[in-house]
Amino acid sequence: EVQLVESGGGLVQPGRSLRLSCAASGFTFDDYAMYWVRQAPGGGLQWVSGISWNSGNIIYADSVKGRFTISRDNARNSLSLQMNSLRAEDTAFYYCVKGSAAGTHYGMDVWGQGTTVTVSS
Amino acid sequence: QTVVTQEPSLTVSPGGTVTLTCASSTGAVTSAYYPNWFQQKPGQAPRALIYSTGNKHSWTPARFSGSLLGGRAALTLSGVQPEDEAEYYCLLYNGGSSNWVFGGGTKLTVL
Repeated sequence: EVQLVESGGGLVQPGRSLRLSCAASGFTFDDYAMYWVRQAPGGGLQWVSGISWNSGNIIYADSVKGRFTISRDNARNSLSLQMNSLRAEDTAFYYCVKGSAAGTHYGMDVWGQGTTVTVSS
Repeated sequence: QTVVTQEPSLTVSPGGTVTLTCASSTGAVTSAYYPNWFQQKPGQAPRALIYSTGNKHSWTPARFSGSLLGGRAALTLSGVQPEDEAEYYCLLYNGGSSNWVFGGGTKLTVL
């Protein structure tokens, strides 16, 4: 069974940093792209970032470009999102999502349960 | 900035058929946008239904189908069940800017 377990969320002050992690199991991790998607309270889904199977292609939403960094460790079956210069509008539930293929342009399939990030003073 | 537009809400009777659509501000949606569809129920993580326009995942019920319709991506539910009441999101890939954009979601009511 494919499982994605996010961790690292919490309450952080504006301007500070936070690092999210996602532990993957139940599939061959380095065969697939991975993504982060967020959902503000009561809001819709917003794609944040994606990374191809070998980290050769990395993409970001304009709203986080230059502040967030996605990375993966295929040896440890893990995905990370380093979030710097956090803003109130980054407050959301963050989901780790498995890609449907190795590249970052096929889409997504299995979702984790998410972790909450709250940016507030 | 690409905007992806979905119907805010739709209502369908049990056993009926309904089509949800997904339009892009950049023009007609084609297979190159790799349309994906997701279902989300309150308090739950989204669940993938369709990828690359019309391909179903192994867990996707047969009553769900994806297609292109009149320059939009479309999700059709045939023989709607009460448990299909949920929020549905489409997702489109913008190859020009190498990013993904979700639609605002369609709240489907089964009544």
